[in-house]
Amino acid sequence: EPEVTQTPSHQVTQMGQEVILRCVPISNHLYFYWYRQILGQKVEFLVSFYNNEISEKSEIFDDQFSVERPDGSNFTLKIRSTKLEDSAMYFCASRTRSGGAYNEQFFGPGTRLTVL
Amino acid sequence: AQSVAQPEDQVNVAEGNPLTVKCTYSVSGNPYLFWYVQYPNRGLQFLLKYITGDNLVKGSYGFEAEFNKSQTSFHLKKPSALVSDSALYFCAPEGGYNKLIFGAGTRLAVHP
Repeated sequence: EPEVTQTPSHQVTQMGQEVILRCVPISNHLYFYWYRQILGQKVEFLVSFYNNEISEKSEIFDDQFSVERPDGSNFTLKIRSTKLEDSAMYFCASRTRSGGAYNEQFFGPGTRLTVL
Repeated sequence: AQSVAQPEDQVNVAEGNPLTVKCTYSVSGNPYLFWYVQYPNRGLQFLLKYITGDNLVKGSYGFEAEFNKSQTSFHLKKPSALVSDSALYFCAPEGGYNKLIFGAGTRLAVHP
């Protein structure tokens, strides 16, 4: 069964450093998302992406964040200058449409980001 | 503001008994509604969804959910719980531009 993959599974970085989190969505999916979950808190939406542009972003997704689909398969989240409060589990998700309706979002296993 | 309430942090049930995990939401329009499950150190797995039609929807692993429009609720149910159902369950209606709005999660503990 096709699945969303994410690398790395765990990333440790120093405050102020740039990190890139990578995702490979399911191959025929067209809509892509990033969410994050700070330890012990709820999952929060960060950004949605379709047709090579951002569809919507949350207030968390400030100028320090960016997303890119550099080729036909990868979908990346970049944090330009990490802060301690960026420590969280980051989930990538993708979905498609069929019969005019949106299907469910499929989630990757997550990347745990630890900012020291 | 859009929100989701899962009023119980934890639900305890004996194996073989029915279970209910509650969810109410405040989202404009007629949102798609989803339940996801998270096992330890794993991602979020899709369980079931409501888009339109029958108020009772069936999903994976014997789970079902009942949609109630007047109460804006979407409670997750299972007739007979298994120990292996123990996990963290998230209700997630869809807000604008298809983003999921997650509840805080309910930990289900099924005891043998």
